[in-house]
Amino acid sequence: DTAVSQTPKYLVTQMGNDKSIKCEQNLGHDTMYWYKQDSKKFLKIMFSYNNKELIINETVPNRFSPKSPDKAHLNLHINSLELGDSAVYFCASSPSDRGGWEKLFFGSGTQLSVL
Amino acid sequence: AQSVAQPEDQVNVAEGNPLTVKCTYSVSGNPYLFWYVQYPNRGLQFLLKYITGDNLVKGSYGFEAEFNKSQTSFHLKKPSALVSDSALYFCAVRDTGGFKTIFGAGTRLFVKA
Repeated sequence: DTAVSQTPKYLVTQMGNDKSIKCEQNLGHDTMYWYKQDSKKFLKIMFSYNNKELIINETVPNRFSPKSPDKAHLNLHINSLELGDSAVYFCASSPSDRGGWEKLFFGSGTQLSVL
Repeated sequence: AQSVAQPEDQVNVAEGNPLTVKCTYSVSGNPYLFWYVQYPNRGLQFLLKYITGDNLVKGSYGFEAEFNKSQTSFHLKKPSALVSDSALYFCAVRDTGGFKTIFGAGTRLFVKA
């Protein structure tokens, strides 16, 4: 199926650990994003890559590092996890970022719980 | 900087009644406006967008939205609500040539049978 898929769906870990979330899209899109949704459902952009180039890097702790090995993949690595990192992380993609009018296609999210 | 406000945390409506979910925006330049819906434990799904042209935009599942430039609003509407419309609705904005989609805080819609 054509989709934005992210793994794992659930991630439970201890404070201080390092973890990664993977995202893949087979829609042929140029641009991929990471969004964080907190417990109040507020959605905030973290990063965006266009053709493997970082174009958005919001005020995010440098413990968070995105990596885009190719246009179809955008992974998120988090070092030294903290309690406040607990949230749902969404990957998204869009056909092109330059025009601004393209809709986003979202993955189903990764629920991260830091204990 | 662009921003989006959804003044209602929750909207309750009876099945069969019309529904409105409110959104106001602030953006420099021409706005690109979107509505997305999120069902429990799912990612957001696109409903509709306004780029230019007719102020009334029709989208998925019978939803429509009215763009009002003077009031800087983009309210989501549906003539007859269904129980299955119960979900979290997000208004979003991107300015022309912008790289970011900014989301509102979301409005939870409850449709009662």
